[in-house]
Amino acid sequence: DAKTTQPPSMDCAEGRAANLPCNHSTISGNEYVYWYRQIHSQGPQYIIHGLKNNETNEMASLIITEDRKSSTLILPHATLRDTAVYYCIVRVGAGAGGTSYGKLTFGQGTILTVHP
Amino acid sequence: NAGVTQTPKFRILKIGQSMTLQCAQDMNHNYMYWYRQDPGMGLKLIYYSVGAGITDKGEVPNGYNVSRSTTEDFPLRLELAAPSQTSVYFCASRGEYSNQPQHFGDGTRLSIL
Repeated sequence: DAKTTQPPSMDCAEGRAANLPCNHSTISGNEYVYWYRQIHSQGPQYIIHGLKNNETNEMASLIITEDRKSSTLILPHATLRDTAVYYCIVRVGAGAGGTSYGKLTFGQGTILTVHP
Repeated sequence: NAGVTQTPKFRILKIGQSMTLQCAQDMNHNYMYWYRQDPGMGLKLIYYSVGAGITDKGEVPNGYNVSRSTTEDFPLRLELAAPSQTSVYFCASRGEYSNQPQHFGDGTRLSIL
């Protein structure tokens, strides 16, 4: 699975948009980009994922560049409850030559702190 | 909606004791996973299962065993607890299609003293 690079920390004012970047320059054509977050002491929470098109759901938007080498997670109106560690993960689908079916590799992520 | 349920939430063991961490999901998912997360670190895969009766090792399987007798349940067994196994353990499950996301339980916090 491709390696990802994220800034270690970011700040955002409550009510403003939080834009979290992720670089995945070695991504291959069959790898998806996933975003999860982990609020202190809780299990990772799935946010959104995409292959090459921009995606939006009730939680966030995912913008993937045309060359797919980077992406941005957008929380449109950040709240204090969005303070968490955000993980960008790139992985192939299950059975695509890997030995761990759909294993998620969590890096260090970005600590997002939303301020009042 | 229950999703993925893990029990117990907290446990303290003495060195050499054994225990089973329970994980159950009600989404009829074939794929299930056990991860551990040490303080300040990312998750590491211990074991996974692609369906009832089929399990395989992940990155850090030593000291653990699993079984998958039903689709719903995927228990993780520690036979001889060691201090190095002090961690937070997360169970996850995923649907059939390869691009579907994994859904996690709330974790079991285990301390070995």
